[in-house]
This record gives sequence, C-alpha cells and structure tokens, in this order.
Amino acid sequence: GENVEQHPSTLSVQEGDSAVIKCTYSDSASNYFPWYKQELGKRPQLIIDIRSNVGEKKDQRIAVTLNKTAKHFSLHITETQPEDSAVYFCAASGTGKSTFGDGTTLTVKP
Amino acid sequence: GAVVSQHPSWVICKSGTSVKIECRSLDFQATTMFWYRQFPKQSLMLMATSNEGSKATYEQGVEKDKFLINHASLTLSTLTVTSAHPEDSSFYICSAMGDLPADEQFFGPGTRLTVL
Repeated sequence: GENVEQHPSTLSVQEGDSAVIKCTYSDSASNYFPWYKQELGKRPQLIIDIRSNVGEKKDQRIAVTLNKTAKHFSLHITETQPEDSAVYFCAASGTGKSTFGDGTTLTVKP
Repeated sequence: GAVVSQHPSWVICKSGTSVKIECRSLDFQATTMFWYRQFPKQSLMLMATSNEGSKATYEQGVEKDKFLINHASLTLSTLTVTSAHPEDSSFYICSAMGDLPADEQFFGPGTRLTVL
C-alpha cells in the first residue's frame, strides 16, 4: 500500500518568515495530493491540492510543488502569521483512498 | 462548498454499551464515505471505506464486528462502536467524496467518544 512520510514533525518560525513542509510517497499510482490544516479538536480543512499533471500551484501565501519523478511534494507558506499555527497534514490519493502523513505542528511566533 | 455533518459531536458512554455516529453529506451525493480515527497529536488513521449499498471495506487491524458501518443512502453513513471499552475512546472523523471534484474528500466535524 501507499506510504507517506512527512517532515518535519514540528516547525517553529518567526512571524513573517516562510515555512516549508515536505512529504514523500511510495505509490506511483497516486495522482492527487491535498494538504490539510487542522486546528485542535476540529476537522481537517483543505488548504491547497495538486494533481499529478501539474508541477506547481499557488494560492496567495500558499504554494505546493510536486516532483512526480522523485515522488515528493512540498507545502510552502510565505509571510507566516500567528493564525497559521496549526497541524498540517499532507496526503497522497489514488483510486479514491487517501494516505495521510503524520502531520507537522507549525508554530508561528509573533 | 460541500458540507458534511456528523452527529453527535461528543458522547460519553459506559463500558459495554454501543454508540452510533452518523455522517451526512448535506448538499451533495456521497458515493464514498470514509471513517477515520484520530488519537491526540497523531494523524488520521483510516478505519474503513464505505460505498452506498455495499459492504464496507475495512483496513487491516480494524475489527469489522466491533466497528459496524452502514452506508444506507448516498447521503448517510453510520458507524456503530459495539460493546465499547475505554481503549475505544478517540476522535472519530468521517469524510465524504462525490463524483466531482475527483478524489476530494470533505470532512465532518468529528465525534469525540469517551468510554468510561
């Protein structure tokens, strides 16, 4: 089955700095890669996603890059704000099922 | 956007009792629903995948007789935790997927289960 590894597990940045979270996957059949933000006790919320026919996607301060050959994808958050503090999960999906990374706890210090 | 509701949002029960959790897609037809379990500070663990009108597919290590899943309609799936024990205490989250956009899952708000 699919195996997704996510790094780092914790990340602390100063407000205004950039944050990068990286994930690798094992199944070359995976073709959909969403990123979720989860606040304590709440549901995961989709913040950005990318499909395998695209190498990069950007939405305001958030961007995702995908390298299919190397089987890795990354989340980039620029100009971080304290409200960006949360747990971020990557996932790799193929045939309708998603496998999640272990999560990254991002703390943005004011 | 697509909305998924989950009920109840939290439940406390005695050991040995059964608890039913409902997951509803409110504004779209969910051909597939997923049930996840999440322990504190951990990732989402897929328990099972259910398709409307057919038996759920359980992940390895998940007891199908303990976690009963029914997907009776295109908008409702239920998870029943039978003979609950304290180790079943967890955050249970469902998600629903329609035909479009492909592969995108919409999550319910989760149910916090505490078994005394």
